[in-house]
Amino acid sequence: GAGVSQSPSNKVTEKGKDVELRCDPISGHTALYWYRQRLGQGLEFLIYFQGNSAPDKSGLPSDRFSAERTGESVSTLTIQRTQQEDSAVYLCASSAPRAGNIQYFGAGTRLSVL
Amino acid sequence: GQNIDQPTEMTATEGAIVQINCTYQTSGFNGLFWYQQHAGEAPTFLSYNVLDGLEEKGRFSSFLSRSKGYSYLLLKELQMKDSASYLCAVTKAAGNKLTFGGGTRVLVKP
Repeated sequence: GAGVSQSPSNKVTEKGKDVELRCDPISGHTALYWYRQRLGQGLEFLIYFQGNSAPDKSGLPSDRFSAERTGESVSTLTIQRTQQEDSAVYLCASSAPRAGNIQYFGAGTRLSVL
Repeated sequence: GQNIDQPTEMTATEGAIVQINCTYQTSGFNGLFWYQQHAGEAPTFLSYNVLDGLEEKGRFSSFLSRSKGYSYLLLKELQMKDSASYLCAVTKAAGNKLTFGGGTRVLVKP
């Protein structure tokens, strides 16, 4: 697609429920990244996928968080047993060497855990 | 570890110039990015500095000194639409994850 697409744009859930967030990267971008942005704060790295290499999961805050990516396409970020502190905007970005390795961001999913 | 510092907030007048500083201490460095983020929107790319020096793109310029762990973003001829947060981020290798500072909120007043 023309840009990075994320869905849903907003998600309200109850504490303890599982949620799945989706990211469609720019077509042909080999790298895909997930970040989290809490209200009024900077972006925190969560996980990134680069081609067929093992993902870098070093930013995942707990084992309740996981992500998958099929090939060089869609990725899903799953948060199990959500907690109130998970409330944030979850941003996805993609990049490619042919595009200068610049990360282009989607509009994010605003997650609210009640 | 990684430590990236930038001021929390700056105010400037329409038509003026504002300089946003960013200092970093990182274990490994490849390049430094600046992004603009309007409230409720996605960050948009402004600049990527790998080598020392100044890069100019229209009203926006970005400077990097790797030996000093320092960068700045210069916004000239400020417009009201430049009111936004400006994010400084560092990467250890091309295509690798970004480590962000807390962002600088710039308010442009008439």
